[in-house]
Amino acid sequence: DAKTTQPPSMDCAEGRAANLPCNHSTISGNEYVYWYRQIHSQGPQYIIHGLKNNETNEMASLIITEDRKSSTLILPHATLRDTAVYYCIVNDNQGGKLIFGQGTELSVKP
Amino acid sequence: DAGITQSPRHKVTETGTPVTLRCHQTENHRYMYWYRQDPGHGLRLIHYSYGVKDTDKGEVSDGYSVSRSKTEDFLLTLESATSSQTSVYFCAISSFGTRGRGNEQFFGPGTRLTVL
Repeated sequence: DAKTTQPPSMDCAEGRAANLPCNHSTISGNEYVYWYRQIHSQGPQYIIHGLKNNETNEMASLIITEDRKSSTLILPHATLRDTAVYYCIVNDNQGGKLIFGQGTELSVKP
Repeated sequence: DAGITQSPRHKVTETGTPVTLRCHQTENHRYMYWYRQDPGHGLRLIHYSYGVKDTDKGEVSDGYSVSRSKTEDFLLTLESATSSQTSVYFCAISSFGTRGRGNEQFFGPGTRLTVL
């Protein structure tokens, strides 16, 4: 699996959009981009994933650049409960392991 | 939330004793995983299963064994616990193999294990 690079920490004001970047410049053509988050002391939570098209669900939007070397997770209206560590993972979608890096610690502030 | 539970949620044991952690799912998913999480290392895969009696090693499998005798249960055993196995253990299940689904993994609440 390709590696990803994320900023270690970010702040966001409550009610504003949180834009979390991820670089995955060595991603292969068959690898998907997955996002998870982990709220303190809880198990990781799946957010969204995509291959090359932008994706949106009830939690977030995923924007993948045309060359697929980077992506951005967007939380449109961040709340205090979105404070967590966010992990960007690339995976070949074949049921195997996920490789978790260090992630981005997002702090949503009032 | 996916129907996945772990037991026990907390356990304190002594070095050299055997320990078994249980993961139970009600989703009928084929894939199940055991991860451990430690400060500075993030989540690391111990073992995973891709069906009843079908298991494979992850990146930190030494000192651990697993068993899956039925779809809903995945057991992680520490044959002789050591202090280095003090960690938080997470079980996960994946919808992979279900039509139209990818490798979304859903995690349990975790088991905090302390080996004295």
